[in-house]
Amino acid sequence: GENVEQHPSTLSVQEGDSAVIKCTYSDSASNYFPWYKQELGKRPQLIIDIRSNVGEKKDQRIAVTLNKTAKHFSLHITETQPEDSAVYFCAAGGRGSASKIIFGSGTRLSIRP
Amino acid sequence: EADIYQTPRYLVIGTGKKITLECSQTMGHDKMYWYQQDPGMELHLIHYSYGVNSTEKGDLSSESTVSRIRTEHFPLTLESARPSHTSQYLCASSDRTSGPYNEQFFGPGTRLTVL
Repeated sequence: GENVEQHPSTLSVQEGDSAVIKCTYSDSASNYFPWYKQELGKRPQLIIDIRSNVGEKKDQRIAVTLNKTAKHFSLHITETQPEDSAVYFCAAGGRGSASKIIFGSGTRLSIRP
Repeated sequence: EADIYQTPRYLVIGTGKKITLECSQTMGHDKMYWYQQDPGMELHLIHYSYGVNSTEKGDLSSESTVSRIRTEHFPLTLESARPSHTSQYLCASSDRTSGPYNEQFFGPGTRLTVL
């Protein structure tokens, strides 16, 4: 089955700097890679996703890149702000309505003022 | 408003008690999931369902059971709670009919403490 590894487990960056979180996956059949953000005491919410036919996707200050050959994908947050402080989870899933997604272990991002 | 509801939000019980955690969604979704998560830590899939009368075990071994008699309802039952069951339980749903790439929507969670 699929296995997703996520690094680093904790990340602290100065406000305004960029943050990068990296994930690797094991199943070459996976073709859907969402990222979820979970603020303290709240439920996880999807912030961006990428599909295997695309190498990069951007939405304002966040972007995700995918390297299918190396089986890794990354989340990039630019111009970080205090509200970016949260736990971020990557995930990988397969094709089809019967597939499920497997989550990484999470990265706790702290933004220093 | 379409959403996912979980009750109770907090539960403190003694060892050996039988409990049921409720999850209901008004989003019209087919697929539903249960995750176990220590606060801010990894999400472990314990059960999922593709639709009515469909239930599957997830990747984390669990002593809980689930049922899916109605599309909108996916309760999780612990027959005999133990301190090792202390955790947060998150319910989620996604729409199977909207295509192969399905965003999961999470409920607010139930924080369970077993004494």
